[in-house]
Amino acid sequence: SAVISQKPSRDICQRGTSLTIQCQVDSQVTMMFWYRQQPGQSLTLIATANQGSEATYESGFVIDKFPISRPNLTFSTLTVSNMSPEDSSIYLCSVEGVVAGDRSSYNEQFFGPGTRLTVL
Amino acid sequence: DAKTTQPNSMESNEEEPVHLPCNHSTISGTDYIHWYRQLPSQGPEYVIHGLTSNVNNRMASLAIAEDRKSSTLILHRATLRDAAVYYCILRGGATNKLIFGTGTLLAVQP
Repeated sequence: SAVISQKPSRDICQRGTSLTIQCQVDSQVTMMFWYRQQPGQSLTLIATANQGSEATYESGFVIDKFPISRPNLTFSTLTVSNMSPEDSSIYLCSVEGVVAGDRSSYNEQFFGPGTRLTVL
Repeated sequence: DAKTTQPNSMESNEEEPVHLPCNHSTISGTDYIHWYRQLPSQGPEYVIHGLTSNVNNRMASLAIAEDRKSSTLILHRATLRDAAVYYCILRGGATNKLIFGTGTLLAVQP
């Protein structure tokens, strides 16, 4: 399994400012993912971040608003830029890991605890 | 991405079995059926996955219909700690992405 930590765990920010969220994994992983979970909603994938390449964004998300860095195999950052109250959400990172099952190995995603962002 | 349909909410009593249904009528031949759950104030966690055959692990069982257009997650004895949102997700063999639907909010009564 992979243990993931995120910083900050929560923050309250003023509109128009930016916040950078950090995601640290305790093992080297190729693929990292960033999700947003708006209040009372399900998770929405923002982008996939592979080390050594540009992040791939999902429809409705752009790099100018959510720039992502992936400097090595254990770390990534997501910046929420020029924030508005609509950006108030929980932001979660996840990684893809290989797990040894009873009969065969399989891929599983492990999630961080999330960063709760409130924009005033 | 193929879509899944789940009831918005379900209730169960503690120590009773729970059957959480999922419909995925547009599933393709290479789609795996994954279940994740999200406990309150936590990130999602893996529960189980399968392709065609029924699967069992320490957490749950997954029953897959013969035509693969539906599946059921079975918690054999619900506990209060099983109260969570359960997500049924189809994942193609070539992709690593998880696309979450609305999930089922499971309430467990003592």
